[in-house]
Amino acid sequence: EIVLTQSPGTLSLSPGERATLSCRASQSVSSNYLAWYQQKPGQAPRLLIYAASSRATGIPDRFSGSGSGTDFTLTISRLEPEDFAVYYCQQYASSPRWTFGQGTKVEIK
Amino acid sequence: EVQLLESGGDLVQPGGSLRLSCAASGFTFSNYAMTWVRQAPGKGLEWVSHISYSGGDTYYADSVKGRFTISRDSSKNTVDLQMNSLRAEDTAVYYCAFKGVSRFYWGQGTLVTVSS
Repeated sequence: EIVLTQSPGTLSLSPGERATLSCRASQSVSSNYLAWYQQKPGQAPRLLIYAASSRATGIPDRFSGSGSGTDFTLTISRLEPEDFAVYYCQQYASSPRWTFGQGTKVEIK
Repeated sequence: EVQLLESGGDLVQPGGSLRLSCAASGFTFSNYAMTWVRQAPGKGLEWVSHISYSGGDTYYADSVKGRFTISRDSSKNTVDLQMNSLRAEDTAVYYCAFKGVSRFYWGQGTLVTVSS
């Protein structure tokens, strides 16, 4: 099973700042089958990025994904008030068994 | 528009059973494998079960194997999760999801609470 470890656990930033979230895999994620989600309280996860760097439909370009192999990054270039949420990475290379990171909370400083 | 609508969540006693259903619309259901993912209160996301597009192959997380059964009905465009021998640790929001051509689709979830 591919284990995903996200860091940091919590990121305290101000609106307008840049956020950098990390997701490290216990083994290489083939074909860069890695996705990023945003989740707000009481809501389902919202897909932001798939295939490591492709933005999902309707996602603002301040969200970007990068990385390959075992190290992946989600960057939010300038935080908007609505971006404060929990973010999860997901690997789907070992389908059908998806695994998820434990989440990074981006909170207002 | 793709829609996934889960139902069936409820309060159930430990050892009890519950059947969740996910109604799909807006896409060719019979072409896609379907997945259940759950999220315990205040916790992260956990993959639970998967069924192939034909229904011929099913997979389960170790935590639910032998207790949960996934099935699908392509005449009704539904995927079900039969949950037996429920435990307190099964308390969670259960999401129905699938991977499309280039994105993932999720429902809004249904809450299962296992408590006496």
